[in-house]
Amino acid sequence: AQSVTQPDIHITVSEGASLELRCNYSYGATPYLFWYVQSPGQGLQLLLKYFSGDTLVQGIKGFEAEFKRSQSSFNLRKPSVHWSDAAEYFCAVGATGGSYIPTFGRGTSLIVHP
Amino acid sequence: GAGVSQSPRYKVAKRGQDVALRCDPISGHVSLFWYQQALGQGPEFLTYFQNEAQLDKSGLPSDRFFAERPEGSVSTLKIQRTQQEDSAVYLCASSLRTSGGGYNEQFFGPGTRLTVL
Repeated sequence: AQSVTQPDIHITVSEGASLELRCNYSYGATPYLFWYVQSPGQGLQLLLKYFSGDTLVQGIKGFEAEFKRSQSSFNLRKPSVHWSDAAEYFCAVGATGGSYIPTFGRGTSLIVHP
Repeated sequence: GAGVSQSPRYKVAKRGQDVALRCDPISGHVSLFWYQQALGQGPEFLTYFQNEAQLDKSGLPSDRFFAERPEGSVSTLKIQRTQQEDSAVYLCASSLRTSGGGYNEQFFGPGTRLTVL
């Protein structure tokens, strides 16, 4: 069965600083990988996804993620964080073979200091 | 509408009551998904529909949970005899079509926060 580990429950950064959120997955084949963001009282919004090809994926809002098969990781990065980026971030893995239904990690809460 | 809507946004139920949660997907979206998000956790898949057909209900935690989408549009998640462990945010998502024909992004609603006392 597929699973996702987000080892950091909370991350605090200063506005303007760089950001990296960690994600490790467990899956027997090449997975489909996703990052979602959830702001308070809002539904989840897809930031980016990886299915195949270039292992560095660009997403919305200036985010990017890199798929590293050797480390079973799919870390999310942003070079300069804005206060509006404060939210909950979820990494997810989707099964290959057609279902695409994601299995989510428990999330990382991003706190941005002015 | 412009996005997925869910109602009510908040629901408080006494233990043992039945509740019904509604999801209005984006117009034209064939696939509809329900997730349960416990406090401090990521969403967990409950069930999904393609049009009116419920193709996967493997995530429903017990037979007290029932979902329907009779006309292939609006969906209702019903929980009978609610228990305290049912307290969670219930998220609905829709997408243009199901997998098998290729990936389509799921668009999520704001969720219904259910509190069972």
